[in-house]
Amino acid sequence: QVQLVESGGGLVKPGGSLRLSCVGSGFTFSDHYMSWIRQTPGKGLEWLSYMSVAGSTINYADSVKGRFTISRDNAGNSLYLQMNGLRVEDTAVYYCARESYDTVTGRYIDVWGKGTTVIVSS
Amino acid sequence: SSELTQDPAVSVALGQTVRITCQGDSLRVYYANWYQQKPGQAPVLVIHGENNRPSGIPERFSGSSSGDTASLIITGARAEDEADYFCNSRDGVGNHPSYVFGTGTKVTVL
Repeated sequence: QVQLVESGGGLVKPGGSLRLSCVGSGFTFSDHYMSWIRQTPGKGLEWLSYMSVAGSTINYADSVKGRFTISRDNAGNSLYLQMNGLRVEDTAVYYCARESYDTVTGRYIDVWGKGTTVIVSS
Repeated sequence: SSELTQDPAVSVALGQTVRITCQGDSLRVYYANWYQQKPGQAPVLVIHGENNRPSGIPERFSGSSSGDTASLIITGARAEDEADYFCNSRDGVGNHPSYVFGTGTKVTVL
């Protein structure tokens, strides 16, 4: 079945870095835009970034622009999020998500991984 | 960026109908999608493009939209529908719009 599995979360000090990974299976990874989304109890769900199938189109939320970098390896069915300059407010569960496309309604997020937890604390 | 506002909580009697609303400027331009999230689990898509159900989602879930407000309707609520529900849409203008999520609604089935 379609599955996304994230890894790489953990405890990091403010100013530090982490690299999250996501491996997809059960679908043709290279056919889909992919996104990163995070969730906190206080701020809810926040979309962070997406990347097109070949990597030519990338978009970031203002909150992470210049600090986070999305990338993908289609041969390895993998999506990555390099997070630098981490702040306490980046503490969250981070989800990898697949996007699909409908000819009438456009792109939408349809499959989520189970998430990986990032804690930024001194 | 835009915001999508939802009521924090609603309750529904078993077997009855509940409507969850989502309001925001982005909904005047883009379609709404809806996700169900149970405790400790990842969100699951239940409606996309205003009123399209993915495979495996029960027919009791439906969606509608008017102006800046989208709705998720659960007709004949079951105990397993107790969960948090989030709306979402594309956001912004230009060739590469972003995404925005709603504040979430906790649905309690009585």
